[in-house]
Amino acid sequence: QKEVEQDPGPLSVPEGAIVSLNCTYSNSAFQYFMWYRQYSRKGPELLMYTYSSGNKEDGRFTAQVDKSSKYISLFIRDSQPSDSATYLCAIISNFGNEKLTFGTGTRLTIIP
Amino acid sequence: TAGITQAPTSQILAAGRSMTLRCTQDMRHNAMYWYRQDLGLGLRLIHYSNTAGTTGKGEVPDGYSVSRANTDDFPLTLASAVPSQTSVYFCASSDYVTGGADTQYFGPGTRLTVL
Repeated sequence: QKEVEQDPGPLSVPEGAIVSLNCTYSNSAFQYFMWYRQYSRKGPELLMYTYSSGNKEDGRFTAQVDKSSKYISLFIRDSQPSDSATYLCAIISNFGNEKLTFGTGTRLTIIP
Repeated sequence: TAGITQAPTSQILAAGRSMTLRCTQDMRHNAMYWYRQDLGLGLRLIHYSNTAGTTGKGEVPDGYSVSRANTDDFPLTLASAVPSQTSVYFCASSDYVTGGADTQYFGPGTRLTVL
């Protein structure tokens, strides 16, 4: 079993829709949770970052963490064609020398 | 601010040849990383360096070597390339603190094809 599981998609939704992207993880030691956005033929860029259960909002984006279920989500409201990208979750423990563990990424297309 | 630069942008390489992928950052980050990204497998860590002068192995280190002579540069060398090393390679850096989160910043990538 992979430490981080993410549905690869592809996911296509109409402009203006609410998008839900999800990851599950297996290691309860994971403490920090991030979402990266990667446009085609570009490097990933950090979108959001949280270290606790609950919701964190940044404009049209909301990151949700449920540590009891080992489940994290990214919601995009009022989706725009410019949101079309691959979204990767990334998780890390805060103990010692652990490195980021990435999900495989979900490819999202917003249809105008 | 340039952030992280990688060179070359893309390369076609004959199997058995050696090649060095270059990575330079201007953010004075202490930690640097090399990943490969393959369809269906996501980003996998090849090697990392927490500070200049030190390196460590990631998830998929075989066939690759790195060095970290200074803070800014972190080259990745393929000594004898094989077709399975065809991939997109990303360099990243972070202001790593032991026991803390590791927010990484990525370069634009190098697309390598080994024939």
